[in-house]
Amino acid sequence: DAMVIQNPRYQVTQFGKPVTLSCSQTLNHNVMYWYQQKSSQAPKLLFHYYDKDFNNEADTPDNFQSRRPNTSFCFLDIRSPGLGDAAMYLCATSRERWDNEQFFGPGTRLTVL
Amino acid sequence: GENVEQHPSTLSVQEGDSAVIKCTYSDSASNYFPWYKQELGKGPQLIIDIRSNVGEKKDQRIAVTLNKTAKHFSLHITETQPEDSAVYFCAATPTSGTYKYIFGTGTRLKVLA
Repeated sequence: DAMVIQNPRYQVTQFGKPVTLSCSQTLNHNVMYWYQQKSSQAPKLLFHYYDKDFNNEADTPDNFQSRRPNTSFCFLDIRSPGLGDAAMYLCATSRERWDNEQFFGPGTRLTVL
Repeated sequence: GENVEQHPSTLSVQEGDSAVIKCTYSDSASNYFPWYKQELGKGPQLIIDIRSNVGEKKDQRIAVTLNKTAKHFSLHITETQPEDSAVYFCAATPTSGTYKYIFGTGTRLKVLA
C-alpha cells in the first residue's frame, strides 16, 4: 500500500544532542510537510517542501532544519534539542500544493532527557 | 488571519448514540474543510472532507455539513462504537490553492460501552 513512513517511531535524545527524524513516502507526492504536535494540542506546521523548494513558517525556530534529498525522503534535523522540543513530530504529504488533501504518517515521538 | 474554533473539547456518548462536533472559521474565502481522527500514539487520519461548493457529504456513519453563510461546519457520527473513541480535529484552508491547514483545537470523543 502507498503510504507515509516515519522512522524511528520513538526517539530519545539528550538535551543539546542533535537528532534527525526521517520520513519517506511511496505516494510520489510533490509536497512534504513537517508538523510538531505537543500533548493535547493540534499539529503545528514547521515547514514544507514543494518539490525542492523549501518553505519555512515564520515562527519556526532556527533550531529546526529540514532536508529533502529526493522526492521520497524528507528529514527533520533538530540541532540542539531543548526540553521544550519534546513532542510528536508528524510528516505529511500532498499530491500538489493546490491539492488540499494531506496524508499523515504515524509520527515520531521525541523525548528529550 | 484564519482562526478555527472547535467545540466541545471533550464529548462522552453512549455506544449507539450520535456525536456531533462543531467548528467555526473566520475566513470566508476558506474552501476546503477536512476532518481528521487521531488515535492515541498515531498520526491523524482523514475521515471525511468537504469543499465549499457542497453543503453536505456522507460516508456510511459519518457525515459533514457546511454552512458557508454562518461559516461553520460540523461532523456527525451516528451509531457510535467504542472504536470511534479518539481525538477529532477539524481544519480549514484559507483561500483557494493554499497548502496550509488551520486546525481546530481538537475534540476528545469517548464512546462508552
